Amino acid sequence: GAVVSQHPSWVICKSGTSVKIECRSLDFQATTMFWYRQFPKQSLMLMATSNEGSKATYEQGVEKDKFLINHASLTLSTLTVTSAHPEDSSFYICSARDPTLETQYFGPGTRLLVL
Amino acid sequence: DQQVKQNSPSLSVQEGRISILNCDYTNSMFDYFLWYKKYPAEGPTFLISISSIKDKNEDGRFTVFLNKSAKHLSLHIVPSQPGDSAVYFCAASGVSSGTYKYIFGTGTRLKVLA
Repeated sequence: GAVVSQHPSWVICKSGTSVKIECRSLDFQATTMFWYRQFPKQSLMLMATSNEGSKATYEQGVEKDKFLINHASLTLSTLTVTSAHPEDSSFYICSARDPTLETQYFGPGTRLLVL
Repeated sequence: DQQVKQNSPSLSVQEGRISILNCDYTNSMFDYFLWYKKYPAEGPTFLISISSIKDKNEDGRFTVFLNKSAKHLSLHIVPSQPGDSAVYFCAASGVSSGTYKYIFGTGTRLKVLA
C-alpha cells in the first residue's frame, strides 16, 4: 500500500533553534499534504494544508511565521518550526492525500522535544 | 466549532463481542468519510472508508455505516479482539467554496478486554 515517510522520527533541540521535518509520499504523487500536531491525550489538530506549488493554508490560531511549510514537489512537504520553544514540544504528523484513491495516508510522526 | 464529533471518549468491550464506535458531523458538504486507528506514538492507520453515495461498506471484521439524513456514521468491529485496542478517529472530507477540507473527530479510545 501507499507509504508516507517522515524524517526525522524524533528530534531534541535547544530552545531558539529551528527544526525541519520532512514528509514524503513514496509511491504516489500528492498535490495536497497535511500537517497535524497531537497533544497528549488529545486528538490530532490540523495545523495547515500544504499545496504543491502554492502557499500553505493555515488553520486559525496557527502562526504561519512560526511553522513554515514548503511543498516544493509532488512528493515532498517540509515543516520548519522556527525559533523553537519548549511549548512547541509535541508529536507532529503529516499526511498525504492520494487523489486517485480519495484517501489520506499518514506518516509515522515526528516527536519533537525542545529543551 | 467541532464539525466532526465523537461523543464517546472511551469504550470498553469484551473480547468476541461487537464494538460500535460512533461519529457525528455537522456540515453537509462532507461526502467522504474515513476511520483511522491509532496506537500511541504512531501515525494513524487507515482502516475503512465510505462514500456518501453508499450507506454501508464492509471489510472483514470492520463495517462502516453512514446515515446521511442524521449526519451520523458508525464503525462496527465484530468480533472484537484485544489487538483492536487503540484510539479510533473518524474523519470527514469534502470541498466547500473551492477549499478541500479534511476534519478529524476527537477520537474514541477502545479497550477490548480479554
